Amino acid sequence: AQKVTQAQTEISVVEKEDVTLDCVYETRDTTYYLFWYKQPPSGELVFLIRRNSFDEQNEISGRYSWNFQKSTSSFNFTITASQVVDSAVYFCALSEAPYNTDKLIFGTGTRLQVFP
Amino acid sequence: DGGITQSPKYLFRKEGQNVTLSCEQNLNHDAMYWYRQDPGQGLRLIYYSQIVNDFQKGDIAEGYSVSREKKESFPLTVTSAQKNPTAFYLCASKTTLSGANVLTFGAGSRLTVL
Repeated sequence: AQKVTQAQTEISVVEKEDVTLDCVYETRDTTYYLFWYKQPPSGELVFLIRRNSFDEQNEISGRYSWNFQKSTSSFNFTITASQVVDSAVYFCALSEAPYNTDKLIFGTGTRLQVFP
Repeated sequence: DGGITQSPKYLFRKEGQNVTLSCEQNLNHDAMYWYRQDPGQGLRLIYYSQIVNDFQKGDIAEGYSVSREKKESFPLTVTSAQKNPTAFYLCASKTTLSGANVLTFGAGSRLTVL
């Protein structure tokens, strides 16, 4: 069965610290996609990144970076030099290839609080 | 601006009452979804619709109903049969980027049963 585990329920850091959010997934499929979404206090989930199972290259976008390791079934998210505006709940999600299913499996989320 | 509009943002209902949450999108997306969010449980899929006049149950469909009469609209009714309806409800629509689903979400509706 598919499953996404975000073991960190809540993380608090001081502004400018680096922080890593962990995501571990389970799937029996060889083709799948992994996602990260951000949910700010306004409630709307914002798409951050999508990764397919064949692409293990790490990705960097500004202060955000993602480390995908199939060997450990992990897709961790690092925020460098955190800012107060990064405070939100972050969700990791898993989807099989579109021809197989039409829904995302979400982790339980990690609440990040960045203090000034 | 294109997006998903959910209304109302906050809703209170008495036990035994049905309530309908609105979800409208102007993104011209075919597929739409309803998720429920509870503290500490992440998001769980209630219903989804891949095309007008068609919808499928998700993981927690009991006590809910939907309709998809128009491409733009996917309302969710929380019926009195739903035992624990207090939650945050999120509507989403799907676009496909290079073969992968990417969901665009609305701002959500928070339902409280008194």
